[in-house]
Amino acid sequence: EVQLVQSGAEVKKPGESLKISCKGSGYSFTSYWIGWVRQMPGKGLEWMGIIYPGDSDTRYSPSFQGQVTISADKSISTAYLQWSSLKASDTAMYYCARLGLRFAFDIWGQGTMVTVSS
Amino acid sequence: QSALTQPASVSGSPGQSITISCTGTSSDVGSYNLVSWYQQHPGKAPKLMIYEGSKRPSGVSNRFSGSKSGNTASLTISGLQAEDEADYYCCSYAGSSTFYVFGTGTKVTVL
Repeated sequence: EVQLVQSGAEVKKPGESLKISCKGSGYSFTSYWIGWVRQMPGKGLEWMGIIYPGDSDTRYSPSFQGQVTISADKSISTAYLQWSSLKASDTAMYYCARLGLRFAFDIWGQGTMVTVSS
Repeated sequence: QSALTQPASVSGSPGQSITISCTGTSSDVGSYNLVSWYQQHPGKAPKLMIYEGSKRPSGVSNRFSGSKSGNTASLTISGLQAEDEADYYCCSYAGSSTFYVFGTGTKVTVL
């Protein structure tokens, strides 16, 4: 079965760092781009960026450039999203998704809820 | 890059057809036939319903169809069922600098 499994929910304080993960299985992880999508509480989907695990080529949405870092470790079929200094406004559900069918996100992870609160 | 514009809500009775619009610009929807649509039930991850404007992934009901005219893409749900009640988002490829932009989302209510 093709799937993306994300790491569990996180509760952090402002200023702390965080790295969440997305592990792919059931397909060739290095052959498909992986994207990250933010959904703030009660709000819509926002595209953050994508990475090609085969060579770690990474592209960011202008809205998220410099705010987060996307990376991947192809040896363990895992993509990452990380923050160096969290803010309360980073509180959201974060989804990873595979860019499969003709520029569409065809497989989604279950989401990782990140809560940033003092 | 601004979000694509969708109506906040659309409703219909069981068996009816509804259409959700997704309006972009000549830089995204109008330039590429690469609009996808996603269904999201409360507390769940999004699910791909339509890709490349009008194609359905395997397993998606043929009650869902997509189209495009100019800078506006549309998703039509025919034979509306209770299980179709969810949020729907469009998404368009927007070129090699912006890459992707999502729509504002539409809540579909089955009356």
